[in-house]
Parts: sequence; structure tokens; C-alpha cells
Amino acid sequence: DQQVKQNSPSLSVQEGRISILNCDYTNSMFDYFLWYKKYPAEGPTFLISISSIKDKNEDGRFTVFLNKSAKHLSLHIVPSQPGDSAVYFCAASQGGSEKLVFGKGTKLTVNP
Amino acid sequence: GAGVSQSPSNKVTEKGKDVELRCDPISGHTALYWYRQSLGQGLEFLIYFQGNSAPDKSGLPSDRFSAERTGGSVSTLTIQRTQQEDSAVYLCASSLTGGLNTEAFFGQGTRLTVV
Repeated sequence: DQQVKQNSPSLSVQEGRISILNCDYTNSMFDYFLWYKKYPAEGPTFLISISSIKDKNEDGRFTVFLNKSAKHLSLHIVPSQPGDSAVYFCAASQGGSEKLVFGKGTKLTVNP
Repeated sequence: GAGVSQSPSNKVTEKGKDVELRCDPISGHTALYWYRQSLGQGLEFLIYFQGNSAPDKSGLPSDRFSAERTGGSVSTLTIQRTQQEDSAVYLCASSLTGGLNTEAFFGQGTRLTVV
């Protein structure tokens, strides 16, 4: 049973536009959420995180929104750049555990 | 080396053989994690080491899997009697102190193929 779901395997966006990557979770005990970016043949790199006590966290072009009642979070990238093209993973944990539960990822392509 | 180093980068092995995967974390990082990514799946937690504490082995899928971390630095993940379903990319990560507010840095991974 998948606890973290990224239902869109891929997303294509025009350069300069907004990219919105979605993630749903089923475990209401999750209280910390992270987004990782992964380029081919490289390990994932941490992008941004959010605690369940917040509903928004912003870092430059990247903003994560958390809707606890809907068990949904999203990553907004604006403006999107071709270098943002990568696979984006959503991850969650509970109670300060080091064990992260990952989604399957969404492949973002930003077209010039 | 500035980053997490894993070796080998690729490993092809016959079903039933044992394999060892190595991870060199970033110097000074006390926390070390192993994950794996099977085809079309997300990253799956395997094991977590933090300093001298007993490791969290709750993600190891079977007793064929084991890991150790010598001297608080290099870690080896061993898979005995490999099966085809063990084929995956095995990723190692390290962080300075552990804890979710501490960024974990991933290596490039070892792609294991069991034939």
C-alpha cells in the first residue's frame, strides 16, 4: 500500500511558466514533508521541506504548499527554467523518524 | 572527495551469489542511510546509522540483507544469495548530524542487476 503518491509520472511545461507538482499521502501521522530533485545518473538532492505546523514554505523560485485536511502537498516552481528538468520526488516522515517514505516521482520537462 | 562516493557504480551478478556494495560518506558526517530504488518505484528506506547508536534496520526486506558501518565512516551493504527482485539502484546518503532538518547528501548509487 503506497503511503505517498505522485499520480503524474510526467509533466511538461514551457520555460517561464509555472510548474506544479502534486503529491498525496494517506498516513495522517506524517508531520514532515520534503521534495528531492534527481538528475539522470545522479543521486537525489534536497530541494525544500515543510513541517505540518505550516501550510507554506518558500525558497526562491520554489514554494511548497501543504493542505493537511486534504492530505495533499504541491511544489510550485516559478518561473520554470530548462535546468529544472529532472525527476522530483515527494517524501514524508512521522514523529521525527529518519525513515523517509518516498513517492514514485514525477518527471518534469521544461521546454525552452 | 567532497561528496558521497559509492562503489561499484554498476554490478551484474548471477542469482544466488553474494554482493557487497560500498559507501564512503562525506567526512565528518555522523548519519548514514541506505535506500534502494526499484524500476518505476520510489526510494525505499533500508537502514540508518547514527554515530555509535544501534542502527535502524527496520527497512531491510529480508535476512539476506545486512549492513555495517566501520569506524563510524565507510559502510558496506551485503546481499546474500541474490534474487532477481533485488535488482535496483542502491543509494547511500549521509548527513552531518542526522535529523530531518539536516540535509542528507546522496551518492550516485550502485545499479545492481541480478541475472
